[in-house]
Amino acid sequence: EAQVTQNPRYLITVTGKKLTVTCSQNMNHEYMSWYRQDPGLGLRQIYYSMNVEVTDKGDVPEGYKVSRKEKRNFPLILESPSPNQTSLYFCASMDRGLPEKLFFGSGTQLSVL
Amino acid sequence: RKEVEQDPGPFNVPEGATVAFNCTYSNSASQSFFWYRQDCRKEPKLLMSVYSSGNEDGRFTAQLNRASQYISLLIRDSKLSDSATYLCVVPYGGYNKLIFGAGTRLAVHP
Repeated sequence: EAQVTQNPRYLITVTGKKLTVTCSQNMNHEYMSWYRQDPGLGLRQIYYSMNVEVTDKGDVPEGYKVSRKEKRNFPLILESPSPNQTSLYFCASMDRGLPEKLFFGSGTQLSVL
Repeated sequence: RKEVEQDPGPFNVPEGATVAFNCTYSNSASQSFFWYRQDCRKEPKLLMSVYSSGNEDGRFTAQLNRASQYISLLIRDSKLSDSATYLCVVPYGGYNKLIFGAGTRLAVHP
């Protein structure tokens, strides 16, 4: 089954404690992206990757890091989480140039205390 | 002006009603548009694409007005299962940058 697998589904942490949210896709897509969703603001792009070892900032990259060492994985790293990073996060992958083929993971609800 | 704007709603309608949402966008160069459906706190899923003047899929019709820079989504014969948030999505400067509207919430009641 074609899917984007994101873990964990829920995460509660404290300020300053490094964390990683994993994302993996099995569709051999070159494009992957991370979004955060906050009430009234819609989904905002954090980082995206057009291919292995190629990453670019989205609209809200501050406080986040990503890596793309292999095509299937695109982890999101928060080196020192802060309460304003409390949000619902979605990973997505896309068949390049085909938004109709944009697939999302099931989301990670992160709470930073 | 925001890049993509939607009326947040909620739109509360009875079953069987016809309801329409609008989405305005600021980039006149955008050529394609998308409507996604999102159930509460779940991942968005593609509902419809709009590449020219409009698109129709069963009870759902999407229309594009380039002159006024908005797209609309019309839902006929609303079902309880249509209750969700509808997100308008517009590519800006290529498909690697998709701008999502904040969404319009629809609640269909018996």
